[in-house]
Amino acid sequence: EAGVTQSPTHLIKTRGQQATLRCSPISGHTSVYWYQQALGLGLQFLLWYDEGEERNRGNFPPRFSGRQFPNYSSELNVNALELEDSALYLCASSHLNLGQSRNTIYFGEGSWLTVV
Amino acid sequence: AQKVTQAQTEISVVEKEDVTLDCVYETRDTTYYLFWYKQPPSGELVFLIRRNSFDEQNEISGRYSWNFQKSTSSFNFTITASQVVDSAVYFCALSEANFGNEKLTFGTGTRLTIIP
Repeated sequence: EAGVTQSPTHLIKTRGQQATLRCSPISGHTSVYWYQQALGLGLQFLLWYDEGEERNRGNFPPRFSGRQFPNYSSELNVNALELEDSALYLCASSHLNLGQSRNTIYFGEGSWLTVV
Repeated sequence: AQKVTQAQTEISVVEKEDVTLDCVYETRDTTYYLFWYKQPPSGELVFLIRRNSFDEQNEISGRYSWNFQKSTSSFNFTITASQVVDSAVYFCALSEANFGNEKLTFGTGTRLTIIP
């Protein structure tokens, strides 16, 4: 069974440009999460999508946005890139079973974004 | 607010030694989930274990074992007879149990180096 897949693996952008990162969840998973791992800042929660809706958002500016498609894949868009946006962006997925115990969140290998 | 503290930034041990990674958490919730993830140089976060707050039984999986103590808010991870392949950054994480707030709060990680 395929795990969480992300693309591209590496991306280099210029300050002010836009970056788009993509994620395909594990088959059967309806929830997708995005995390940022910037040097010195640890793993920070960015966004959570479930069934096509944004369910929760971390403490990030509006230029970080995303969406989830009907097939549950997701895109993370970062507009007006700043140098400090350089980080590893990790996507994760889980199957959210309401009323039942929390399901495990599985992560992909991440997309390295470098802003120059 | 939730908080996870991994006080050990870096640990180095010689192969075959046992090593314990510490994790202390803070939460106001009575029901919550604790996780450990391993991050090898490739970047992917590999799920190791999930424990809910009602289950204080220690768990052993091969060379890995986990000690959960609610009285001290700790969830420590021990690797027995360490191997070079265990070298990675290890993250402890906490999540609330109430649906609608699906996010993990991570510790800052412990970089473990196993010296051959």
